Amino acid sequence: AQTVTQSQPEMSVQEAETVTLSCTYDTSESDYYLFWYKQPPSRQMILVIRQEAYKQQNATENRFSVNFQKAAKSFSLKISDSQLGDAAMYFCAYRAGGGADGLTFGKGTHLIIQP
Amino acid sequence: NAGVMQNPRHLVRRRGQEARLRCSPVKGHSHVYWYRQLPEEGLKFMVYLQKENIIDESGMPKERFSAEFPKEGPSILRIQQVVRGDSAAYFCASSPTGATSQPQHFGDGTRLSIL
Repeated sequence: AQTVTQSQPEMSVQEAETVTLSCTYDTSESDYYLFWYKQPPSRQMILVIRQEAYKQQNATENRFSVNFQKAAKSFSLKISDSQLGDAAMYFCAYRAGGGADGLTFGKGTHLIIQP
Repeated sequence: NAGVMQNPRHLVRRRGQEARLRCSPVKGHSHVYWYRQLPEEGLKFMVYLQKENIIDESGMPKERFSAEFPKEGPSILRIQQVVRGDSAAYFCASSPTGATSQPQHFGDGTRLSIL
């Protein structure tokens, strides 16, 4: 069974600084996708960024980028120029390439932005 | 375009009652996923449905829980004889196809409280 581990229950960063959230996963599959979702206090789940396992190039979406290390099964999220609106729970998620089931989520990291 | 609509937003039930949670996917999406989020936890996959079919229900408890996605109308997650442990936020997500590359669009969730 696949597992996703987020080892940082909480992280704090100064506004405008850079922060990296860690995620590791365990799978025997070779074809899969990885995602980062943001959940602000409103509880809505918002897709931040996604990465296909077969792509070596790290995904980037504006101030958000990932460091995908397939051999190490690591998928960290870097947020540059942190803004107050980035404060939220961040969940790392995995889905096998077959698409026959749902997403497997980590327990989340609570990101605090210090003004 | 309207996103995934879940209702009610909050639902209060007494132990032993039935809870019905509704989810209308994004227009044109025929794949629906249900997740449960316990306090301070990540989302846990429950069931994956395509119109009139259950694709994967491996995450759903065998007793008291059922889900459907009829040809017409919303998807329904039904919990019979609710117990205190059923208190959680229940999220629905949809996608146009079941392909792993397709991101899942989430609703705002239904918070179920059992008295």
